[in-house]
Amino acid sequence: GQNIDQPTEMTATEGAIVQINCTYQTSGFNGLFWYQQHAGEAPTFLSYNVLDGLEEKGRFSSFLSRSKGYSYLLLKELQMKDSASYLCAVTNTNAGKSTFGDGTTLTVKP
Amino acid sequence: DTEVTQTPKHLVMGMTNKKSLKCEQHMGHRAMYWYKQKAKKPPELMFVYSYEKLSINESVPSRFSPECPNSSLLNLHLHALQPEDSALYLCASSQLGGNGYTFGSGTRLTVV
Repeated sequence: GQNIDQPTEMTATEGAIVQINCTYQTSGFNGLFWYQQHAGEAPTFLSYNVLDGLEEKGRFSSFLSRSKGYSYLLLKELQMKDSASYLCAVTNTNAGKSTFGDGTTLTVKP
Repeated sequence: DTEVTQTPKHLVMGMTNKKSLKCEQHMGHRAMYWYKQKAKKPPELMFVYSYEKLSINESVPSRFSPECPNSSLLNLHLHALQPEDSALYLCASSQLGGNGYTFGSGTRLTVV
């Protein structure tokens, strides 16, 4: 099975940097995804890591350490619109099946 | 076309009704998924189709019946649902081999 842990809630200030951590235990690891989900909307894909290291995409970066079962999502220059739930999802080799963590609700304050 | 289209967006049905949820994508993705999401919870996998064949059924009750008529379409047939089945039903598609999902906007289902 899979076990994915991420903090339930985080609060940060507009313009700041925030790091959302995700730890996981899984068999047959085939990639880790981060999704953003605003209330009442569907998740949207943010990033994908399958090899160790940092992937940067604009204000968002994601890091993976497979040996530690650890990832983080780094959000820079926070904006109010970044207030959302951030979901860590781990995919195993079984037909692309992804299992989601419970999500981290980020609140950005002025 | 980089979207997954789901219809209807909202559905209210009685426990004796039969209804269907529809999902369509034209990105050439060969994997399609149904997820169920309750409020303030993460999406939970229900079914996976790979190359139009059902590859994963996460022990979903038989009152939910998936169907994949072709590589672009995915349906979820609903019959004799319970009020606790009320949720947001998300369709997603992806390339096989560990790529991210593209989610549809979901169908918000209420069973009365």
